[in-house]
Parts: sequence; C-alpha cells; structure tokens
Amino acid sequence: DTAVSQTPKYLVTQMGNDKSIKCEQNLGHDTMYWYKQDSKKFLKIMFSYNNKELIINETVPNRFSPKSPDKAHLNLHINSLELGDSAVYFCASSPTGTISGANVLTFGAGSRLTVL
Amino acid sequence: GENVEQHPSTLSVQEGDSAVIKCTYSDSASNYFPWYKQELGKRPQLIIDIRSNVGEKKDQRIAVTLNKTAKHFSLHITETQPEDSAVYFCAARIDSGGGADGLTFGKGTHLIIQP
Repeated sequence: DTAVSQTPKYLVTQMGNDKSIKCEQNLGHDTMYWYKQDSKKFLKIMFSYNNKELIINETVPNRFSPKSPDKAHLNLHINSLELGDSAVYFCASSPTGTISGANVLTFGAGSRLTVL
Repeated sequence: GENVEQHPSTLSVQEGDSAVIKCTYSDSASNYFPWYKQELGKRPQLIIDIRSNVGEKKDQRIAVTLNKTAKHFSLHITETQPEDSAVYFCAARIDSGGGADGLTFGKGTHLIIQP
C-alpha cells in the first residue's frame, strides 16, 4: 500500500500545453510538498502546504499552480509548458509538530515530465 | 534563506573503504539535518538525521557528525558495499515544531563503490 503516490509516472508533452500531476498520501500527514529535480539532480522545493494552506511558494513561475482539495492531496498544474520545465517532480509529505519523526519527508516515486 | 553547500559532487571509493561527504549551511538557526539516499531512478529516502542538540549519531555503518559552531555536518559510511552506490543529499531546516518549512538540500554527491 503506497504511502505517497503520484500520477502519472511519465508525461511527455508539447511546449505550450497545460498538464497536471496528482499526489495523494495515506500517512495522515499534515504537510505536503512539491520538489523539482533537474537533470543535474538538484532537489529544489517549489511549494509547501499545511492542512490545505499554502506555506511556502518559492520563486516559481506563476504558470505553476498547486491545488490542495484536502490535506491528503496536493496536485500540481502547469500552464504553457516550456522546455525548461522538463524535470522529475517529486511530491512529499511529512508530519509536523514536535513529535519524534516530525518533518521527516516521505517522497513519492516521482513524475518525469518531458517537454518537446 | 538557508543555503547548503555539499562536496564532493562525485566520490569513488574501493569496496570496504570508508566514504565521507561534507556539508555546510548558512543559517545558524537551522537545527535539523537529515541525509537522503537516492538510488538510480528511485525516490530519495531518509537514511539518518541529526538535531542540533546532538553532536554525533550512529546507525550501524552510517554515522553523522555535526559542528554547530562551524556550521558543518558530515556523513560517514564505513565498510562500503556495492549497494551503497547512490546519490546522497544533505539537507538543513529550521525546525520550529509547528511549521511546514521545507528542507533545503545540498546539490548531492554521487557515491561510486568500486569492486
């Protein structure tokens, strides 16, 4: 039973298209994130949501819009895709608070986006 | 914001030897320092972490040390095995206990274990 699942695993699309990546976690965590991993393997945070509220919005083009319908889901919608958007996008979740294990990230398997 | 520097970017060691990866961070308020391992084509997974009230932590062949004064921390892997080959990421964050701040990752070290 997958803890953090994201779909699709692979996505190949043309420049200018709009696409979405979905993420769901069944761990009961309060916080969910989107990270982007580029071709050089650099992991960079994009967004963080805590109980459906946006906490972090790093310097990301406004073509990227996260949506959190409930605390178990955090979807990523990308408008007008560009070549530079090609990357692996990882969803992650973590509990928060002072309990042991708080803030440990559990990652999804990643969604590889290729823009042609 | 926090900035994490990691080196080396690539490390090749003979099987059985030790490997050391070093990281520095910029924000003295950071108090949580995890290490993630990412095998080829897989997701990053936590292998060990340390909080700022501890100077060293060990888990079998893996140990992490933290020097808060110098703002650097290191991962030590002893008796390396082929399955240790992967990309390793250090990270840092300010753990305020109630927030949702994300981790700032280093750029990763590609560890290669030579047979």
